[in-house]
Amino acid sequence: DGGITQSPKYLFRKEGQNVTLSCEQNLNHDAMYWYRQDPGQGLRLIYYSQIVNDFQKGDIAEGYSVSREKKESFPLTVTSAQKNPTAFYLCASSRNSGTGDQPQHFGDGTRLSIL
Amino acid sequence: QKEVEQNSGPLSVPEGAIASLNCTYSDRGSQSFFWYRQYSGKSPELIMSIYSNGDKEDGRFTAQLNKASQYVSLLIRDSQPSDSATYLCAAHLTNFGNEKLTFGTGTRLTIIP
Repeated sequence: DGGITQSPKYLFRKEGQNVTLSCEQNLNHDAMYWYRQDPGQGLRLIYYSQIVNDFQKGDIAEGYSVSREKKESFPLTVTSAQKNPTAFYLCASSRNSGTGDQPQHFGDGTRLSIL
Repeated sequence: QKEVEQNSGPLSVPEGAIASLNCTYSDRGSQSFFWYRQYSGKSPELIMSIYSNGDKEDGRFTAQLNKASQYVSLLIRDSQPSDSATYLCAAHLTNFGNEKLTFGTGTRLTIIP
């Protein structure tokens, strides 16, 4: 079955530690996205990538980093510079039509908490 | 003005009634709109896409788009307790020149048995 796989489902970060969230898709989608969702809040875009080896900052990129070395994979690193990392992290992907008419499909998310 | 705006709710609707969820957007050039349902603790799932003015029906769901008024709505007929969730409206805003979607903050819907 095609889909988006995020791992781990739950993650705990110690003070000063970098942690990496995995996102893999087998939908053959060109575009991938990372969002952060805080309790009772909407989705805030962290980073997005429309093509391999290229990515752009979203609205809240500070304290995060990404790479896009393969079409299927878009890992997100939450660095120690992100002082308030506790949130629900969602990865999404979409086809790249050039007209913005493609919906995004989401993985099941990773919950990150501070120890 | 927020780029995509929704009433946060909560919106309470009796079981069997019609639930009406509303969304406005700021970019007059936007062409693509999406409704997502998000159950508590879960990720959003796509339920409707709409691109043209008018109504689009899919089972108990009807999406309505009025580009002149910059307004999108989602109607849920014969509401069921399983429809209780947060509904997110998303739009492709043309001023970004890419595939990004802009999401509203969501409306929390509760269906009362």
